[in-house]
Amino acid sequence: AQTVTQSQPEMSVQEAETVTLSCTYDTSESDYYLFWYKQPPSRQMILVIRQEAYKQQNATENRFSVNFQKAAKSFSLKISDSQLGDAAMYFCAYRSARSGNTPLVFGKGTRLSVIA
Amino acid sequence: EPEVTQTPSHQVTQMGQEVILRCVPISNHLYFYWYRQILGQKVEFLVSFYNNEISEKSEIFDDQFSVERPDGSNFTLKIRSTKLEDSAMYFCASRGNSRGYTFGSGTRLTVV
Repeated sequence: AQTVTQSQPEMSVQEAETVTLSCTYDTSESDYYLFWYKQPPSRQMILVIRQEAYKQQNATENRFSVNFQKAAKSFSLKISDSQLGDAAMYFCAYRSARSGNTPLVFGKGTRLSVIA
Repeated sequence: EPEVTQTPSHQVTQMGQEVILRCVPISNHLYFYWYRQILGQKVEFLVSFYNNEISEKSEIFDDQFSVERPDGSNFTLKIRSTKLEDSAMYFCASRGNSRGYTFGSGTRLTVV
């Protein structure tokens, strides 16, 4: 079974600075997808960014980018120019590509605080 | 932007009672999911639903749980006899042919 590990339960960053959240995963599969979700205090799960394992290029969405290291099974999230609204719980997630209906497997999350 | 809608947002129920959590997925999505998140813990997969049947379920999804898509729009999760440990946030999600999931805002279930 696949597992996702987020080794940082909590992180903090100064406003306008850059922070990197770590994620590693364990799988024997070669084709899969990786995601970062944001969960603000409202508890809704919001997709931040996703990466297809077959793509070597790291995904980028505005201030959010990933460092995808397939051989190391690492998928870190970098938030640049951090804003107060970035404060939230961040979950890394994995989905197998073996079928269209495989579920997401989540890590335990990293709580990010942004300091003004 | 299309949304996944969940009702109610918060439900309090007595232990042993049945509850039904409702979800309206995005209309052209094909895959439907229920996840739960016990307070302070990670999000856990319960069940996936495709083509009007369960396609995968976790160990958590025992005989107390059932899902239905009764009218082609609503997607419900029923817990037959709630236990204290069922208290959690329950999220519905749907997915089309693309790789992205859309989550609802969740239903906070409190069993007393």
